[in-house]
Amino acid sequence: DIQMTQSPSSLSVSIGDRVIITCRASQSIDNYLNWYQQRPGKAPRLLIYNAYSLQPGVPSRFSGSGSGTLFTLTINSLQPEDFATYYCQQSYNTPYIFGLGTKLEIK
Amino acid sequence: HLVESGGGLVKPGGSLRLSCAASGFFFRTYEMNWVRQAPGKGLEWVARISDSGSTNYADSVNGRFAISRDNAKDSLFLQMSSLRAEDTAVYYCVRDSGYGPNSNWFDPWGQGTLVTVSS
Repeated sequence: DIQMTQSPSSLSVSIGDRVIITCRASQSIDNYLNWYQQRPGKAPRLLIYNAYSLQPGVPSRFSGSGSGTLFTLTINSLQPEDFATYYCQQSYNTPYIFGLGTKLEIK
Repeated sequence: HLVESGGGLVKPGGSLRLSCAASGFFFRTYEMNWVRQAPGKGLEWVARISDSGSTNYADSVNGRFAISRDNAKDSLFLQMSSLRAEDTAVYYCVRDSGYGPNSNWFDPWGQGTLVTVSS
């Protein structure tokens, strides 16, 4: 199975900050990497698919990059509604493993 | 739009059947999945069913859970048996909106249904 290592596990940040979250796959997954946001008590929401494609309706301050084994999610100019937990997911093959998540907390 | 139902409290070793009602899209053409989240934990993919009915499972549930679909009723199911305490989680019904080989992404998600396995 492909393992996903996501870092950091938590981050203390301020409104307006730029945030970078990293996800590393245990083997090449080409660009088959997705990012989700989960607010407390809510279902996850797709942000980025296939490494860099922005899901319609997602603000442009979110962006994804990477290929092969190393990927990043960048959030520019953090907004109050962005304080949530973020998960990466490999979609190259089953099992569709998720990273352990990165929780953004208010500094 | 996806709406799960069927969650509840069940004793260890028991069984439960989750349902997911889909609307607003052509259900029969999409692969569907179940994803779960234990209390305070991360996301865990559970099972997948293709549009043609082929299935895949996480090792943790293989042999105990069965995913199925009824395209005539736009419905997805998860039959869970030999339930364990570690199966306690919110279970989400999720559509795979990807296309093409290896291209899979999960959107939308249902609101989830809570399964609690406890004596």
